[in-house]
Amino acid sequence: DTGVSQNPRHKITKRGQNVTFRCDPISEHNRLYWYRQTLGQGPEFLTYFQNEAQLEKSRLLSDRFSAERPKGSFSTLEIQRTEQGDSAMYLCASSQIRQPSRDTQYFGPGTRLTVL
Amino acid sequence: AQSVTQPDIHITVSEGASLELRCNYSYGATPYLFWYVQSPGQGLQLLLKYFSGDTLVQGIKGFEAEFKRSQSSFNLRKPSVHWSDAAEYFCAVAAGGGGSQGNLIFGKGTKLSVKP
Repeated sequence: DTGVSQNPRHKITKRGQNVTFRCDPISEHNRLYWYRQTLGQGPEFLTYFQNEAQLEKSRLLSDRFSAERPKGSFSTLEIQRTEQGDSAMYLCASSQIRQPSRDTQYFGPGTRLTVL
Repeated sequence: AQSVTQPDIHITVSEGASLELRCNYSYGATPYLFWYVQSPGQGLQLLLKYFSGDTLVQGIKGFEAEFKRSQSSFNLRKPSVHWSDAAEYFCAVAAGGGGSQGNLIFGKGTKLSVKP
């Protein structure tokens, strides 16, 4: 069990550029979550997958955001035409819904995005 | 709608002193509750969780939390704080409950500082 990994750890981009983040979950975890955390706040839910199916999306996930989880393994989160308001820490978590874990989420180290 | 309130934004305690971090939740059914800890620039580490049964739950690093349904609270405690406990602590409730929880709803966090 190597834990959840996220790449890159830091990303600096200019406003209007597209960025893509990657999350590799704990092996055999069938759920994968994305959250966004801004300074001084707790994480806010963006979307989650069960295997390769995207089951829920938050209203925070505007049409500039898209997430995929091909083959139910790693996931990518893409932000198109970035805005300064997108600057945040993007956190990924994975879980196993079977007992005894019951969807307990384990988080990666996050990707810090700065939009100039 | 579900929500989590952490009334204390910042707490300072002396090393060796006891600690209690407060968490109140709003949830219509039996909640699934969690405490996570976040060091600066890092992801979240799970400290402990409550699903059902014994209302006093033990976690890692000597932390414990008590679920009190009548007070809608899930306060985190530690009898003797170490300097390495300085971090930000987040309380969370699972949106779905039941056997498949879905996303977590987080409080805004409490930052813990430890005086030598």
